[in-house]
Order: sequence, then C-alpha cells, then structure tokens
Amino acid sequence: GQSIDQPTEMTATEGAIVQINCTYQTSGFNGLFWYQQHAGEAPTFLSYNVLDGLEEKGRFSSFLSRSKGYSYLLLKELQMKDSASYLCAVTDSNYQLIWGAGTKLIIKP
Amino acid sequence: TAGITQAPTSQILAAGRSMTLRCTQDMRHNAMYWYRQDLGLGLRLIHYSNTAGTTGKGEVPDGYSVSRANTDDFPLTLASAVPSQTSVYFCASSDSIVPNYGYTFGSGTRLTVV
Repeated sequence: GQSIDQPTEMTATEGAIVQINCTYQTSGFNGLFWYQQHAGEAPTFLSYNVLDGLEEKGRFSSFLSRSKGYSYLLLKELQMKDSASYLCAVTDSNYQLIWGAGTKLIIKP
Repeated sequence: TAGITQAPTSQILAAGRSMTLRCTQDMRHNAMYWYRQDLGLGLRLIHYSNTAGTTGKGEVPDGYSVSRANTDDFPLTLASAVPSQTSVYFCASSDSIVPNYGYTFGSGTRLTVV
C-alpha cells in the first residue's frame, strides 16, 4: 500500500528553526509537495521537489532524498504566523497526490 | 482575484437528503479534484477530472458523483447523505495532471450530516 508518514504535532519557539520530516512509500514517484494549512482555511502551496537536494525559498527550505523516501521542510526564524499544519504530499505513478495527515506546528513566544 | 469559489461555505443536512456542492474556477485549469478532510486523516480524493468531459474515481468515491460539463465547473453531488459524510470538502485545480506548480484549493465547504 501507499503511505505518507509525518509527525502529528511539533512545538517550537518563536525565532528558532524547526524541521518537519516526511517519509513515504508510494507506487512510483513524480514529485513531493509541501503545503501549509492554517486552521479553518484551505491548504496553500509551499514547495515542490522532484530531484534530490535542497530547495530554498526565503525562510522555508525543502529537502528530498528519493532513494530514502524522505523529505523535510525546514522553517527558519519562526514567526507566530507560522503556527499551522504542514502537509506532505507525493505524486504517484498515476500523477495523483497522496497526502500525509499533516503536522500541526505550535509556535510559542 | 483568480481562484476557486466553493459554495456553500457550510451546511447542515438531514440524513437521506441530497445535496450538490458547487465549485467554480476562473484559471482555465484543465484538472479539477474533490477532496474530503477529516481530523487525523490526510486529504482523501473523492473524484477527479483531468479535462472537461471526463471524470474518474478517487480513493473514496462511494456515495458521491461528479460531472464536468465545462472547464470551469465541477459540482459534487451527494445522492443520499449519511452521517459518515460529515467532513470538510475541498475543491482543487491544477493546470495539468502533472501538477508542477501544485494545486489551488477553494476555501472549503463544511458539511454536517445529522
């Protein structure tokens, strides 16, 4: 079967750095996405990785290792507004997105 | 502002009743999707459409139907609602079936079946 695993909840301090991990087992691989979802809102696109390595976009970076079935989202200089759920999703061989359950990130002052 | 419009925002529905959730996009995206999101579970695909005139079943299609008469509209119908269909429903779209730029999501419909 196909699975995406990520921690249920994480807590971090304002101004700090946090890394949210995602491991996956899917039938085929055509890319990995990270989305941010604030409570009661729709998911919004953060990043897309299709090749191994680190993609940096401002305070957010995303890393992918296809051989290990592993990705992480790195958030730097945390702000209170970063409190949200972070969703990992993998595009399988049929180009359908398989979603993880999300990691709820709590930022404390 | 370009994007996806979903209606209604929320609804309480009696079990056994039918309902159509509306979804309209103005980005001329080819692919559209319906997801449900339940606490503790990832987004689950109900139905999808790769292009106008075609539809396909996702992971959890039972009890739901869709149509795609044109590029912009992708309504989701519950023929006879049951309490297990209580959920938040998101409509999404992408410019192609290879979503290199991700999906754009609507703001969601919160449905409670009682």
